[in-house]
Amino acid sequence: AQTVTQSQPEMSVQEAETVTLSCTYDTSESDYYLFWYKQPPSRQMILVIRQEAYKQQNATENRFSVNFQKAAKSFSLKISDSQLGDAAMYFCAYRSSQGGSEKLVFGKGTKLTVNP
Amino acid sequence: DTEVTQTPKHLVMGMTNKKSLKCEQHMGHRAMYWYKQKAKKPPELMFVYSYEKLSINESVPSRFSPECPNSSLLNLHLHALQPEDSALYLCASSLRTSGAQETQYFGPGTRLLVL
Repeated sequence: AQTVTQSQPEMSVQEAETVTLSCTYDTSESDYYLFWYKQPPSRQMILVIRQEAYKQQNATENRFSVNFQKAAKSFSLKISDSQLGDAAMYFCAYRSSQGGSEKLVFGKGTKLTVNP
Repeated sequence: DTEVTQTPKHLVMGMTNKKSLKCEQHMGHRAMYWYKQKAKKPPELMFVYSYEKLSINESVPSRFSPECPNSSLLNLHLHALQPEDSALYLCASSLRTSGAQETQYFGPGTRLLVL
């Protein structure tokens, strides 16, 4: 079974600075999808970024980018120019590409605090 | 538009009550999901519907009964719940359950309190 590990329960960053959240995963599959979701205090899960394992290029969405290291099974999220609105719980998630594998496997989350 | 709506936003119910949670999406997605999330924990999958048919039940107690009347609507019927069922219930949808269009988009959730 696949597992996702987020080793940083909490992180903090100064406004306008850059922060990197770590995520590692364990799988025997070669094709899969990885996601970062953000959950602010309002509790709605918001998709931040996604990465297909077959793509070597790291995904980027505005101030959010990932460092995808397939061999190391690592999928970190970098937030540049941090803003107060980035404060949230961030979940890393894995999903198999095999048919019938609809389940998202989540890490335990990293709580990000942004200091003004 | 990636909007999934859920009603009600908050729900308080007694252990003998019957209530329902509703989830709706108009993105043409054919897969819909129910998750349960306790405080400071990641979401836990409960049910998956694919093309209006139940495809996954993660051994959820029978006091939770899902229903998918059509491709846009997903209900979760609640009966005889326990206080430990108090949680945030999240609905999600994706275009399909496999292949490249499986990114799940979440609704805002229903906060349920069972007294």
